[in-house]
Amino acid sequence: DQQVKQNSPSLSVQEGRISILNCDYTNSMFDYFLWYKKYPAEGPTFLISISSIKDKNEDGRFTVFLNKSAKHLSLHIVPSQPGDSAVYFCAASGMKTSYDKVIFGPGTSLSVIP
Amino acid sequence: ETGVTQTPRHLVMGMTNKKSLKCEQHLGHNAMYWYKQSAKKPLELMFVYNFKEQTENNSVPSRFSPECPNSSHLFLHLHTLQPEDSALYLCASSPLTGSANYGYTFGSGTRLTVV
Repeated sequence: DQQVKQNSPSLSVQEGRISILNCDYTNSMFDYFLWYKKYPAEGPTFLISISSIKDKNEDGRFTVFLNKSAKHLSLHIVPSQPGDSAVYFCAASGMKTSYDKVIFGPGTSLSVIP
Repeated sequence: ETGVTQTPRHLVMGMTNKKSLKCEQHLGHNAMYWYKQSAKKPLELMFVYNFKEQTENNSVPSRFSPECPNSSHLFLHLHTLQPEDSALYLCASSPLTGSANYGYTFGSGTRLTVV
């Protein structure tokens, strides 16, 4: 039973437009959420995170939104660039689930079309 | 250069072989992790080491045996594996356990194929 779900295996977006990647979770004990980006033949790279006490965190072109009542978070990339084409993993952890046990979603493959 | 180096990048082994995966980090981190990524599945946590001590074994079969001789090096010893163990094995590190919230640093992984 997946505790972190990314229901869209893939997403295609035109360059310059907004990319929205979605993530849902089932465990209400999670209180920290992270996004990782992975290029082929490389390990995942930490991108951005958000604590459950916030509903938004922004870093340049990347913004993560958290809706705790819906157990949903999303990553917005604007404007999207071809170099953003990668697999994006949503991840979650929590004090009560152990911060060592970061649970990853299955990933969404983003293609940004020039 | 990610700061976490894994060798080899690719490994093909028979079911009766014994091999080892190596991970090395020079980031001054004190926590290291092994993750497994199978095709079309989420990353699965296997082991956690904090200051060379194993603090987590996520119900991993005994044919996978980790070793952490110091805070900079982590090994995964493999023996009598099954074809379903074929996967990408990723090593990661973080300053301390409990600091995974600040993001792991991952290596590039070892692509393992068991034949």
